Amino acid sequence: DAGVIQSPRHEVTEMGQEVTLRCKPISGHNSLFWYRQTMMRGLELLIYFNNNVPIDDSGMPEDRFSAKMPNASFSTLKIQPSEPRDSAVYFCASLRPGGPHNEQFFGPGTRLTVL
Amino acid sequence: RKEVEQDPGPFNVPEGATVAFNCTYSNSASQSFFWYRQDCRKEPKLLMSVYSSGNEDGRFTAQLNRASQYISLLIRDSKLSDSATYLCVVTGSARQLTFGSGTQLTVLP
Repeated sequence: DAGVIQSPRHEVTEMGQEVTLRCKPISGHNSLFWYRQTMMRGLELLIYFNNNVPIDDSGMPEDRFSAKMPNASFSTLKIQPSEPRDSAVYFCASLRPGGPHNEQFFGPGTRLTVL
Repeated sequence: RKEVEQDPGPFNVPEGATVAFNCTYSNSASQSFFWYRQDCRKEPKLLMSVYSSGNEDGRFTAQLNRASQYISLLIRDSKLSDSATYLCVVTGSARQLTFGSGTQLTVLP
């Protein structure tokens, strides 16, 4: 079975550009999580969806960040405009219905560099 | 104060050594506790859950002390393949995962 799929795996962009990160959760999983990992702050939850509905976006750093889940098999995290401090690894994770939250399956991550 | 705090290390130990990692959490209402492992440039993966009675999985032993809000992970007879970053993870009533910053372990030949 395919795991969580994220694209692109690496993204290098210039400050001010729009960045869109994509995630395809495991089929049948109904919860999806976006995390950001940096050396300074570690792994932080940005937002999570349940049945395509955003449940908690309190971790989203500011209005430049937005996330959508138009259907059960696809989610995007958009940064507009991007800034150098957004450089990080962004992970997407998914969870099956009724599953304990420790059973989240993580994708391989997108390594974002904003110059 | 961070919700979950860990010694970042690095811990450099020889093969066969026993190494212990500690973690403290600030929210006394935290309900579930876990250790995750993250290899270099890879995603985190669940290593083991942590129970109040303590639990063991092969060479790995996890302990929880709710009174002190303290979690530990002990690795015995360490292998080269144990080299990774170990993340302490806590969930609260909302069941969301809160990660520590991780402790880096390098096992040397």
